[in-house]
Amino acid sequence: GAGVSQTPSNKVTEKGKYVELRCDPISGHTALYWYRQSLGQGPEFLIYFQGTGAADDSGLPNDRFFAVRPEGSVSTLKIQRTERGDSAMYLCASSPCIRGDRGSLNLQPGELFFGEGSRLTVL
Amino acid sequence: GQNIDQPTEMTATEGAIVQINCTYQTSGFNGLFWYQQHAGEAPTFLSYNVLDGLEEKGRFSSFLSRSKGYSYLLLKELQMKDSASYLCAVRDHLYGNNRLAFGKGNQVVVIP
Repeated sequence: GAGVSQTPSNKVTEKGKYVELRCDPISGHTALYWYRQSLGQGPEFLIYFQGTGAADDSGLPNDRFFAVRPEGSVSTLKIQRTERGDSAMYLCASSPCIRGDRGSLNLQPGELFFGEGSRLTVL
Repeated sequence: GQNIDQPTEMTATEGAIVQINCTYQTSGFNGLFWYQQHAGEAPTFLSYNVLDGLEEKGRFSSFLSRSKGYSYLLLKELQMKDSASYLCAVRDHLYGNNRLAFGKGNQVVVIP
């Protein structure tokens, strides 16, 4: 498809279970982001991938959260031993990166392209 | 850290003008973004400011003052479809220039 695709759109699970959320970015976008959004809040940064590597995972709340992007395209966010507090909308976004001054990789002065999100409910 | 503050909700009449404010505190400011998010949908990009001044794009305009740590989004000729949450987001080069820190968003309700 043309946009960022996320599956499942809705996931209901029980406390303590393991969950995987998938993101398929826009073709050709090298940068991929995971954000988490609770009701009435703005998106909260979790992790950023440039290609296959996690360039910044400082937003992951604890070691129960992990994300991979093995081939530089599709990414999976994995949550172990889910807790009720993990209930939220998990948003994935992608962006084409350009190489800026002194070889730095920067977002275009434009936009992140978000998917529709995966709503996780932990009972 | 980055502190981004937005008022939470406002109601306006169809055809009116509404201004949504955003204040921020960040050490390495490198751009401010406005996104629109309809209920249950993904955020979509509206505007980007990195230099002081006004950027106009159709019915939407965005203003930035870096010295004041302040931006506003101006919505003109309001339409019912403009009912949404408006998110302000800041990019900071001290955080690698590759992520955005979002405010809580401002919910705009347009009434006939």
